[in-house]
Parts: sequence; structure tokens; C-alpha cells
Amino acid sequence: SQQGEEDPQALSIQEGENATMNCSYKTSINNLQWYRQNSGRGLVHLILIRSNEREKHSGRLRVTLDTSKKSSSLLITASRAADTASYFCATSPNTGNQFYFGTGTSLTVIP
Amino acid sequence: NAGVTQTPKFRVLKTGQSMTLLCAQDMNHEYMYWYRQDPGMGLRLIHYSVGEGTTAKGEVPDGYNVSRLKKQNFLLGLESAAPSQTSVYFCASRLVPRGPQHFGDGTRLSIL
Repeated sequence: SQQGEEDPQALSIQEGENATMNCSYKTSINNLQWYRQNSGRGLVHLILIRSNEREKHSGRLRVTLDTSKKSSSLLITASRAADTASYFCATSPNTGNQFYFGTGTSLTVIP
Repeated sequence: NAGVTQTPKFRVLKTGQSMTLLCAQDMNHEYMYWYRQDPGMGLRLIHYSVGEGTTAKGEVPDGYNVSRLKKQNFLLGLESAAPSQTSVYFCASRLVPRGPQHFGDGTRLSIL
């Protein structure tokens, strides 16, 4: 399997705290994307970082990418109860049209 | 603008029955994908299509067939359902080869 792995599997924090989740992957990539999934819903795209980028920001989201370690992290600052969801990383390899998702991190933000 | 629509949303089948899941997108996307999501496994790719009339196998294609007769529709078929195919099925589409994917809300399928 070329699935990535995410760490931790579950994370529980207080509202206002920062949440960090990590993703490790196996192959060379063109880009890495992060998605959010609310309970019972489909995945929603959050942010895309290309292999030649090291850091990217979008609102309260900060993503880093270390291609030498084949890893990425997603930081959500000043978390809100509405951030409660599962978060998945997904890698797009340099060749082919497939897309590989990690196993996900379940985030709970306690009001 | 509905995005990606999956029908049905829920279905219960008996072992051996067949059914077709429909995915429709109104964004004129070339690329469409079918995934299954099982607890602790993330999403796994079943089949995908890079344009009308094309299909290709993903990571877990056995027991499934697909068709893309029209650009906006991608059908997933189960010829003879098995309990191991109990899962949540997601369809996704994207405009460019490595761009963001747009997902439907899933079809929850139980096979007894």
C-alpha cells in the first residue's frame, strides 16, 4: 500500500489552543494536500503544497513540507469548536493519476 | 451549482445482489474517482477515469466495475455484493491532473 500515515490518530484540545498533526508518506510527490472531513460528510480540500515549497499559510492553517523526510505537518492555530473533524493528508505522485490518502487524524476541540 | 452528487445516500443489500452507485458532477471536470472508506484505513482508490470513455483500476478494484459514458457521470457497479464490500463510498472529481479533489457526501452501503 502507498497510503501515508498520520500522527496522532486522535487529538483532543481546548478551544483556543493550537492543533498540530503530522503526515508521513512513502513516494516522491508532485504535491501534498490536506483535507477535512466532518462527521457524515465528504472531504473538503483545505490547502495544497507543492514539492518545491517548504511552508504555506491559509488563514489559521499553516502547512510545512519536508521532502527529505517525506513528511508534512498541519498546524491549526486558535482552534474553534467548529474545527472538530477528521483531517487527512493526500499525496499526488510525480507520475500517474492516482492519489493516496493518509489514515487521518480525528481532532476534537472542546468548547 | 451542486458540485458532486452521489445517489443513493444509503443502501442495504443482501449478499449476491447487484447495484449501481451514481456520481454526477456539474463542474466539467475531466478526472473522476471512486474511493471506499473503512474505519482506520483512510480512503482507498477503487477505480478512476481521466476522461469520458476511459476507466482505470485503482488500489482495490476487485469486485467492482465502472463506466464513464458521459463526462459528467461516473458509475460504480457491484456485480455480486459481498459483506466485505460494506463501506462508505465516495466519489470525487478534479479539473487538473494533480489539483484539489471535490467530493460528494458519500453512499453508505451495508451488505448483509
